[in-house]
Amino acid sequence: EVQLVQSGAEVKKPGESLKISCKGSGYSFTTYWIGWVRQMPGKGLELMGIIYPGDSDTRYSPSFQGQVTISADKSISTAYLQWSSLKASDTAMYYCARPKYSSSDAFDIWGQGTIVTVSS
Amino acid sequence: QSVLTQPPSVSGAPGQRVTISCTGSSSNIGAGYDVHWYQQLPGTAPKLLIYDNSNRPSGVPDRFSGSKSGTSASLAITGLQAEDEADYYCQSYDSSLSGPVFGGGTKLTVL
Repeated sequence: EVQLVQSGAEVKKPGESLKISCKGSGYSFTTYWIGWVRQMPGKGLELMGIIYPGDSDTRYSPSFQGQVTISADKSISTAYLQWSSLKASDTAMYYCARPKYSSSDAFDIWGQGTIVTVSS
Repeated sequence: QSVLTQPPSVSGAPGQRVTISCTGSSSNIGAGYDVHWYQQLPGTAPKLLIYDNSNRPSGVPDRFSGSKSGTSASLAITGLQAEDEADYYCQSYDSSLSGPVFGGGTKLTVL
């Protein structure tokens, strides 16, 4: 079964760092892009960026460039999303997602989501 | 503000047909990029509903259909059911942003 399993919920204070993960299984992790999607409370979906684990080619959406870092470790089929200094406005649900086929951008496999709460 | 514009809400009675529009521009839908649609039930991850403008993944009922024309796309739902009450999002690629983008989302209420 193809699946993405994300790390658990996080509660952090402003200014702290954080790295959440997304582990792929049941398919060739290195041949599909992985996207990270933010959903703030009560709001819509925002694509933050995508990474190709095969060569770590990473593209950021303009709104998120410089705000987060997306990476991947293909040896353990895991993608990451990290912050160096969290803000309260980073409070959101974060999803990783994989496209339906390697050259598509239609995300048909989604992780269960990681909820990040940033509060003093 | 997304570059793909959706109505904030639509509603319909059980059994009726509803459509949700997704309006873009010459840098996304109008440039020929494919449109995909997602359904997000409360408290769950999004689910791919329509891909490449009009294709349904396995398991998606044929009550759901997608179309595209010019700079816009539409999702149609026929035979509306209570379980269809959810948020729906369109997605396409935008050449100005150099990446995929989501529409702002539409909340469907089944009356």
